[in-house]
Amino acid sequence: DVKVTQSSRYLVKRTGEKVFLECVQDMDHENMFWYRQDPGLGLRLIYFSYDVKMKEKGDIPEGYSVSREKKERFSLILESASTNQTSMYLCASSRGTPGGNEQFFGPGTRLTVL
Amino acid sequence: GESVGLHLPTLSVQEGDNSIINCAYSNSASDYFIWYKQESGKGPQFIIDIRSNMDKRQGQRVTVLLNKTVKHLSLQIAATQPGDSAVYFCAEPVASGTYKYIFGTGTRLKVLA
Repeated sequence: DVKVTQSSRYLVKRTGEKVFLECVQDMDHENMFWYRQDPGLGLRLIYFSYDVKMKEKGDIPEGYSVSREKKERFSLILESASTNQTSMYLCASSRGTPGGNEQFFGPGTRLTVL
Repeated sequence: GESVGLHLPTLSVQEGDNSIINCAYSNSASDYFIWYKQESGKGPQFIIDIRSNMDKRQGQRVTVLLNKTVKHLSLQIAATQPGDSAVYFCAEPVASGTYKYIFGTGTRLKVLA
């Protein structure tokens, strides 16, 4: 059974803290994605990676960075957390063949920044 | 559980009835579409997909219809059950051959007992 796991379901951090969100997939997928989900806005792409050490900015990369040192792991980093980064964060992965590939999602991390 | 979307359109359906959820897509050149289901507090889950060379595709209790003329997708759920209560949204590629998708904001389906 395919699986995408995220390190935390709930996280509470303070403004200015550095935050790491970890995602691991066991499907040997080339592509991995980080989204945030906010009420009324749908899923918005922060960053994605199509290979180890490769990354590409999504629609809202400001305030975030990512790391992909191993194929199965994709980390999202908030260098200095701010209250407007309070959100649900979803990680996903997909096969490397472009077009026509569903993305498999993790359970999400609900981050609250105080 | 968490609320995925506080201001989503909501469809309320009696248990056992059929549900129809609609989605308008933006890119007439899109060649692939996906429907996802997201239950409260969980990540989105793939339901069914369809390619643009098809008008209809059926799964188990679900059917997706594609009308390319008006850029419209619909998801039909037969004999709706309480476990179908969730937010449903469609997705299309940003451009042909890309890994990236545009996701709709979704419709909340409530199943009434």
